[in-house]
Amino acid sequence: DQQVKQNSPSLSVQEGRISILNCDYTNSMFDYFLWYKKYPAEGPTFLISISSIKDKNEDGRFTVFLNKSAKHLSLHIVPSQPGDSAVYFCAASGNSGGSNYKLTFGKGTLLTVNP
Amino acid sequence: DTGVSQNPRHKITKRGQNVTFRCDPISEHNRLYWYRQTLGQGPEFLTYFQNEAQLEKSRLLSDRFSAERPKGSFSTLEIQRTEQGDSAMYLCASSLGGQGAVYGYTFGSGTRLTVV
Repeated sequence: DQQVKQNSPSLSVQEGRISILNCDYTNSMFDYFLWYKKYPAEGPTFLISISSIKDKNEDGRFTVFLNKSAKHLSLHIVPSQPGDSAVYFCAASGNSGGSNYKLTFGKGTLLTVNP
Repeated sequence: DTGVSQNPRHKITKRGQNVTFRCDPISEHNRLYWYRQTLGQGPEFLTYFQNEAQLEKSRLLSDRFSAERPKGSFSTLEIQRTEQGDSAMYLCASSLGGQGAVYGYTFGSGTRLTVV
């Protein structure tokens, strides 16, 4: 079963506007949530993470929001730039009971930022 | 540090042949992970090492797959008797302790395997 779900395969936005990428999860044992960006022919690159005890984490143009009761998180990119065009993966990890070693990824969302 | 290095970048092999991939992690990272990514999917966990010890293997890792990290530095992933379903991108990642779950693993660029 898909424990981490990204229901939008693609998203297209205009340069300078906000990009919002969404992610849902089913496993309440997840403690950390991470976002990765992936360009073609490259490995995923870490963007930002959030602990389950927080509801917001910000790093420059990137902000991640966590709604634990809804088991939902989102990544906001403001302002969007053409160089942000890539596949974005949501990932989750448990960090207790020895399970802090692997990430469970969603299927990804292809973001296209149009000039 | 040049990051996580994977070789080869691409491998085309005939069904039934054996293949081996290599991963060189960031030198101070004691944890090393292998993931597999197929088209339209996110990376899926295969196995991980802490130093030279292989601590978990996913059910995705059939008996035809074997991974080693003999000296706690580089790692190899071998697939025996390859099948067309093994065609995928094989990603290696490393982290320092359990910090990967918090601060993100560092991934290599992957080895793309095509079985014909």
